[in-house]
Amino acid sequence: DVVLTQTPLSSPVTLGQPASISCRSSQSLVHSDGNTYLSWLQQRPGQPPRLLIYKISNRFSGVPERFSGSGAGTDFTLKISRVEAEDVGVYYCMQTSHFPPITFGQGTRLEIK
Amino acid sequence: QVQLVQSGAEVKKPGSSVKVSCKASGDTFSNHGDYSINWVRLTPGQGLEWMGRIIPSLGITQYAQKYQGTVTITADTSTHTTSMELSSLRSDDTALYFCARGHNGGYFDYWGQGTLLTVSS
Repeated sequence: DVVLTQTPLSSPVTLGQPASISCRSSQSLVHSDGNTYLSWLQQRPGQPPRLLIYKISNRFSGVPERFSGSGAGTDFTLKISRVEAEDVGVYYCMQTSHFPPITFGQGTRLEIK
Repeated sequence: QVQLVQSGAEVKKPGSSVKVSCKASGDTFSNHGDYSINWVRLTPGQGLEWMGRIIPSLGITQYAQKYQGTVTITADTSTHTTSMELSSLRSDDTALYFCARGHNGGYFDYWGQGTLLTVSS
């Protein structure tokens, strides 16, 4: 199974400042079709997860431009250019390049200082 | 726009079974034949865990090895409803269970609201 390791596990950030979350895979996430199926999810308190980014760097419909994704192979990053209060929650990376099983990172809790 | 609405919270005894449903509305099964409905659970200790999926138009299922033999996922395309049955319940099956649509672009684009299962004697 592909293991996704996120760092940090907790990230206190000042409003208006940037935030960055890393996701490292135990093996390359390049699929045999050439795509890399790494996505990022946000889970606000009391809400289901919500898709932010798919295939490394594509923002899903309605996702603010302050969210961006980058990376390749085994190393990926989610960046928030200026954190807002509504960004508080837990962020997960997820891979569907090699399944079953589909796997998730352990989650990073974003909180405001 | 797709909405996935799950059945309500459940309290079950160890050793029993539970069936959780997920009804799709909006962009229904019949319009996009090659997407999947996935079941994911969230626990404080394990985080998000993928349990399995079904492609409703084809009736094809896949399960995580951990859940082989205890999870059964079915779909009724006439009612746009997918169900996940979990048997031989244990206390550590206490979790929040989600259904999520798997897009053929390799991501989960819509999620149900979650169903809380509590397993307790």
